[in-house]
Amino acid sequence: GAGVSQSPSNKVTEKGKDVELRCDPISGHTALYWYRQSLGQGLEFLIYFQGNSAPDKSGLPSDRFSAERTGGSVSTLTIQRTQQEDSAVYLCASSPPEREGYEQYFGPGTRLTVT
Amino acid sequence: SQQGEEDPQALSIQEGENATMNCSYKTSINNLQWYRQNSGRGLVHLILIRSNEREKHSGRLRVTLDTSKKSSSLLITASRAADTASYFCATGGSYIPTFGRGTSLIVHP
Repeated sequence: GAGVSQSPSNKVTEKGKDVELRCDPISGHTALYWYRQSLGQGLEFLIYFQGNSAPDKSGLPSDRFSAERTGGSVSTLTIQRTQQEDSAVYLCASSPPEREGYEQYFGPGTRLTVT
Repeated sequence: SQQGEEDPQALSIQEGENATMNCSYKTSINNLQWYRQNSGRGLVHLILIRSNEREKHSGRLRVTLDTSKKSSSLLITASRAADTASYFCATGGSYIPTFGRGTSLIVHP
């Protein structure tokens, strides 16, 4: 079946502009995660959605970052007033109910470049 | 801060050789996972080992876990050029796995 998809695959934006990144998880997966990966670095956790529970936003680096998940499926990560240090690959992952914390399915990522 | 830290940061070997990567972590876990990331792609789950397991195999992969030393190793036997990728460990103590910086493996044909 279809995997996790993300759009756009690449985004170049000017400093100060807002951007929206989209993630379509695998159908039936209740958990959804956003991570950020800077060049040569590991994955930095941003936010976690689980079903209808309040999201865990503990990884969001500033109040310029926000995310929502509509209808328990598609998620949008919004970065307002982008800065050059926001340049990174943003990865989305989802997990089925019985595998939360055990296995994640990743999308290909969105490469964000802030000029 | 990152829970798992992989070692070495980079590894270069010839096709047919074995590749060993290590992962150390700081706090107690209930499982540890290894992922592979090919250049420009997302991560792919390779294998999971639970805290009460010491060794696990999957094809050419062998994972060990030593909870007393808070460390794990991933062994890839008879490596192939297609194994060239970055390998990450992720520690699971809650529903949010925590990833290290990864080991970059290059397998020369």
